[in-house]
Amino acid sequence: QKEVEQNSGPLSVPEGAIASLNCTYSDRGSQSFFWYRQYSGKSPELIMSIYSNGDKEDGRFTAQLNKASQYVSLLIRDSQPSDSATYLCAVNKGAAGNKLTFGGGTRVLVKP
Amino acid sequence: DTEVTQTPKHLVMGMTNKKSLKCEQHMGHRAMYWYKQKAKKPPELMFVYSYEKLSINESVPSRFSPECPNSSLLNLHLHALQPEDSALYLCASSYGSSGSSYNEQFFGPGTRLTVL
Repeated sequence: QKEVEQNSGPLSVPEGAIASLNCTYSDRGSQSFFWYRQYSGKSPELIMSIYSNGDKEDGRFTAQLNKASQYVSLLIRDSQPSDSATYLCAVNKGAAGNKLTFGGGTRVLVKP
Repeated sequence: DTEVTQTPKHLVMGMTNKKSLKCEQHMGHRAMYWYKQKAKKPPELMFVYSYEKLSINESVPSRFSPECPNSSLLNLHLHALQPEDSALYLCASSYGSSGSSYNEQFFGPGTRLTVL
């Protein structure tokens, strides 16, 4: 079992719809959770961080964390063609050294 | 200013060359990282520096040699690389090495390395 798992996609979403991305992790001791957006040929860009159970909203993005079920999700509301990218879920176990473990990424395609 | 800069943007080198990648941040961050990313794969951690000391080496071959001259700078010295080392090399920084409130990592634009 991979430490952090994501559906590779592509997730095809009509413009204006909600894109829902999921991520599961294996280590129950994980403490911090992050979503990065990566455009083709570019570096990852941090879009959301979440540390406690529940929802966290930032603009059109909502991150949801459920530590009991060991999953974290990202919702993108009113999806735009510019949201087309690969979304990487990253998990930090919280141990010294601040090591991030990434999932394989979900490719999202927003169609006009 | 949440910016991490990396130079050069692109690098082509032969297997016998010695080159260096450079990374700089001015956010007051005390942890800096090197990642390697192959096409269609997630970033893989190589090294972590915390307060200018090497805290994690993910069993990286010795042909990659990191250096942290000060809290703002991070170098990666390359020597005798192999074609399979061709990848996007990413530098990142974060406020501190532990504590959930401060470990957001911010990436630089990367250096695209090609080894011939």
